[in-house]
Amino acid sequence: GQNIDQPTEMTATEGAIVQINCTYQTSGFNGLFWYQQHAGEAPTFLSYNVLDGLEEKGRFSSFLSRSKGYSYLLLKELQMKDSASYLCAVRDSNYQLIWGAGTKLIIKP
Amino acid sequence: SAVISQKPSRDICQRGTSLTIQCQVDSQVTMMFWYRQQPGQSLTLIATANQGSEATYESGFVIDKFPISRPNLTFSTLTVSNMSPEDSSIYLCSVTPGEGTEAFFGQGTRLTVV
Repeated sequence: GQNIDQPTEMTATEGAIVQINCTYQTSGFNGLFWYQQHAGEAPTFLSYNVLDGLEEKGRFSSFLSRSKGYSYLLLKELQMKDSASYLCAVRDSNYQLIWGAGTKLIIKP
Repeated sequence: SAVISQKPSRDICQRGTSLTIQCQVDSQVTMMFWYRQQPGQSLTLIATANQGSEATYESGFVIDKFPISRPNLTFSTLTVSNMSPEDSSIYLCSVTPGEGTEAFFGQGTRLTVV
């Protein structure tokens, strides 16, 4: 079967750095996505990785290792507004998105 | 990119009734996806809607309960039929304009069945 694992919940301090990990086993691979979802809202796109390595976009970076079936989302200089759920999703060989359960990130002052 | 207008944004419905959710996309897309997201959980794909053909439903979802229409390449509806409290959830439509692009979402419909 297809599976995506990410921690259920993480807590970090305002101004700090946090890394959210995602491991996956899917039927084929056509890219990995990270989305942010605030409570009661739709997911919004953060990053896309299809090749190994690090993609940096402002305070957010995402890393991919296809051989290890592993990705992480790195958030720097955390702000209170970063409190949200972060969803990892993999596009499989049928170009269907397989979603992780999401990581709820709690930011404390 | 794609902008999706989804409505209603929320509704409170009586059990046994039906609700139709609409999604309008600002560009033509081949496939539209309908998801359900129950509180504290991730997205569960209900079905994929293709224009001009019947929707493809995922395991656990049937057409009689969740009929879908896709009359053209910019519009789709999902109906939640004969609702029960267990159908209380957020329903989201989504499109992926191109194979290498990300998924875009409608604003979601928060459904409460009483």
